[in-house]
Amino acid sequence: DAMVIQNPRYQVTQFGKPVTLSCSQTLNHNVMYWYQQKSSQAPKLLFHYYDKDFNNEADTPDNFQSRRPNTSFCFLDIRSPGLGDAAMYLCATSLGGTAGQPQHFGDGTRLSIL
Amino acid sequence: TQLLEQSPQFLSIQEGENLTVYCNSSSVFSSLQWYRQEPGEGPVLLVTVVTGGEVKKLKRLTFQFGDARKDSSLHITAAQPGDTGLYLCAGAWEYGNKLVFGAGTILRVKS
Repeated sequence: DAMVIQNPRYQVTQFGKPVTLSCSQTLNHNVMYWYQQKSSQAPKLLFHYYDKDFNNEADTPDNFQSRRPNTSFCFLDIRSPGLGDAAMYLCATSLGGTAGQPQHFGDGTRLSIL
Repeated sequence: TQLLEQSPQFLSIQEGENLTVYCNSSSVFSSLQWYRQEPGEGPVLLVTVVTGGEVKKLKRLTFQFGDARKDSSLHITAAQPGDTGLYLCAGAWEYGNKLVFGAGTILRVKS
């Protein structure tokens, strides 16, 4: 089945220690998104890629960066995680072209900061 | 101020009861999507409504898009414990790929 896969499902890191979360997709979608979601709240968009074009949200901290080496993979790098960065991180994909395409989400990576 | 106001924020009901979740905005959206998210999983698309006044049914769930495409509602008939989850509405603009999410409604259905 075509899907969006996030690894790992759970990640624990130390305060200030860089961490990378990964996302892969078999849907061949050209748009990939990274969201931060805190407990029972709506997902907050951090940034998205349309093909290789990177689109950062204005309020995304500089601490968060992303890489998309090819269509299938996208990474979220947190350079110096703080306690406030503990959250669920969701990756999503969608087709480009027409606006309003539904987004397909992975099951997320829950990040804990010690 | 949220661009898309979703209410209620929390809803705890008994099995068999009906409920309605509302999503309101002063902005016009080209379409509106409803997602359901269970604990520990990502949101899953339930439906997309595109035309003003459109009504879509998915078993016991009825979705409506307002005539002016500024608001939407989700009605669940005879709720079941399996309906428990976080319900999110998300508006799409005419251009671009981003969605505007409402704050979500946490639904708990007790048996």
